[in-house]
Amino acid sequence: QVQLVQSGAEVKKPGASVKVSCKASGYTFTSYDINWVRQATGQGLEWMGWMNPNSGNTGYAQKFQGRVTMTRNTSISTAYMELSSLRSEDTAVYYCARDVLDCTNGVCYQAIDYWGQGTLVTVSS
Amino acid sequence: QTVVTQEPSFSVSPGGTVTLTCGLSSGSVSTSYYPSWYQQTPGQAPRTLIYSTNTRSSGVPDRFSGSILGNKAALTITGAQADDESDYYCVLYMGSGDWVFGGGTKLTVL
Repeated sequence: QVQLVQSGAEVKKPGASVKVSCKASGYTFTSYDINWVRQATGQGLEWMGWMNPNSGNTGYAQKFQGRVTMTRNTSISTAYMELSSLRSEDTAVYYCARDVLDCTNGVCYQAIDYWGQGTLVTVSS
Repeated sequence: QTVVTQEPSFSVSPGGTVTLTCGLSSGSVSTSYYPSWYQQTPGQAPRTLIYSTNTRSSGVPDRFSGSILGNKAALTITGAQADDESDYYCVLYMGSGDWVFGGGTKLTVL
């Protein structure tokens, strides 16, 4: 079965960087994009960007451009999200989520289907 | 800046039917946005309910259904149960790999 297992909680000081990992299993890692989504306490879901594990291509939400970097290590089926210049407002649970693009008989759809368990990142001095 | 709109809160009686909607601040939602719906309870990761407008994810009961109603995507829950009390999020595909989530709807069953 498809699983996305994320790294553990992190506590960082303002100005530091954090790198969260997301290990995929149960499917071919390079065949599906990985999205990163965050959720501040009591707030909604916020899409941060995507990464294609095959090519390494990425696309970031405008809000995070210049501060976020999404990478992967295909040999261990793991995606990474690094966020720099952390501030208190970055305190949130960060999720990785698989993106599926399927085309059958000329009809295509795209969806975010499987989610990791989430990683709490706390930014505090 | 594209904004995806959802009702902040909604309530439904047990056994009742409720329709949550997902719109755009400017324009209409169509199937081309591949609207999806997620259910989230406190402390848990989102659970995929509906994708590509109206396709139920594996294991999702058929009392959850998705559609386009007018100019919005819609999630209808028929025969609401107590454990349907959750936050519900929609997401729309903007192209080029980009997604935008709605602000979420807090559903109360009482």
